[in-house]
Amino acid sequence: GQNIDQPTEMTATEGAIVQINCTYQTSGFNGLFWYQQHAGEAPTFLSYNVLDGLEEKGRFSSFLSRSKGYSYLLLKELQMKDSASYLCAVRDSGTYKYIFGTGTRLKVLA
Amino acid sequence: DTEVTQTPKHLVMGMTNKKSLKCEQHMGHRAMYWYKQKAKKPPELMFVYSYEKLSINESVPSRFSPECPNSSLLNLHLHALQPEDSALYLCASSQVWGAGGTYEQYFGPGTRLTVT
Repeated sequence: GQNIDQPTEMTATEGAIVQINCTYQTSGFNGLFWYQQHAGEAPTFLSYNVLDGLEEKGRFSSFLSRSKGYSYLLLKELQMKDSASYLCAVRDSGTYKYIFGTGTRLKVLA
Repeated sequence: DTEVTQTPKHLVMGMTNKKSLKCEQHMGHRAMYWYKQKAKKPPELMFVYSYEKLSINESVPSRFSPECPNSSLLNLHLHALQPEDSALYLCASSQVWGAGGTYEQYFGPGTRLTVT
């Protein structure tokens, strides 16, 4: 079966660091993506992992462990504009489809 | 240019109307997608086009009819929709689909559809 789990909501303070976890079970794995989506807007691409380890892009980092079926997105120096939903998506190597998790709504408080 | 454009931004239609949603990209991507997204839910895949051919239809009702006139354009024709079809319709593109490699998707801003 196919299943991607993320926490539904998280709250953090401006300037802090937050880690959003994603666990997945898919019939095949061909890469994991993180997208940011502000309310009523389109998802925008943040990061991509296909090999184990950490990928860093400015204030955003993403980690992958394929053996554990686990990824996290790390956001540093949080800003108010980071309040959004964060979607984890896995590309299934069997069907080639991008399977989205339900998303984590992050609220950044002043 | 990493932009995917969609028109219209908002659409209100009655259950007997016929309308079309349009999507365009000029990144040379050969894969294009339609997704449906309800509030506070993830995007749900509807259709995938690869090199202008329909590759995936996720058992979408026939009242939704996709069309890919060329490699830059993707349309979604709507007819006899139901109120439960009201949602945000997102178009996306990526370099390729299938065994050609794994690439990020670029999403358009979406069309917010309301069926009355």
